Amino acid sequence: DQQVKQNSPSLSVQEGRISILNCDYTNSMFDYFLWYKKYPAEGPTFLISISSIKDKNEDGRFTVFLNKSAKHLSLHIVPSQPGDSAVYFCAATDYGGSQGNLIFGKGTKLSVKP
Amino acid sequence: DARVTQTPRDKVTEMGQEVTMRCQPILGHNTVFWYRQTMMQGLELLAYFRNRAPLDDSGMPKDRFSAEMPDATLATLKIQPSEPRDSAVYFCASALGLAGWGEQFFGPGTRLTVL
Repeated sequence: DQQVKQNSPSLSVQEGRISILNCDYTNSMFDYFLWYKKYPAEGPTFLISISSIKDKNEDGRFTVFLNKSAKHLSLHIVPSQPGDSAVYFCAATDYGGSQGNLIFGKGTKLSVKP
Repeated sequence: DARVTQTPRDKVTEMGQEVTMRCQPILGHNTVFWYRQTMMQGLELLAYFRNRAPLDDSGMPKDRFSAEMPDATLATLKIQPSEPRDSAVYFCASALGLAGWGEQFFGPGTRLTVL
């Protein structure tokens, strides 16, 4: 039973437009969420995170939104650039219960076309 | 430039052979994770250590997988005997403290192919 779901395996957007990557979770105990980006032949790298006490966190072109009632979060990239083409993983943790290990989704492959 | 290193980067072996993957965490990081990435399951947590002690290895097939940290600078993941279904990319990650609140730093991965 997947606790973190990324239902779109792939997404294609035009350079300069907005990319929206979605993530749903089932465990209401999750209280911290992260996005990682992964290029081919490399390990994932941390991108941005959000605590459950917030509903938005912004870092440059990247914004993560959290809707706790819907158990949904999304990553917005504006404007999208060809260098953003990568696989994006959503991850979640229950800080108090899990001692910090992350549960990852299966990833969404983003392609940004020039 | 501190980073997690993994060796080997690629490994091709035959079914039944022993495979050992090695990881050097970032100096000073006290939490080390092993993940496996497959097309079907995405990133799965296999095991993790804090201060060299195993905290959780429930994600590993116990009969053939073993993970250890002989010292603070080396983590190993062994598969014996290996099977074709073990073919995947294996990532090691390290973190400082309770990683849930912060980022995990991933190595480049070991791509394992079991024929």
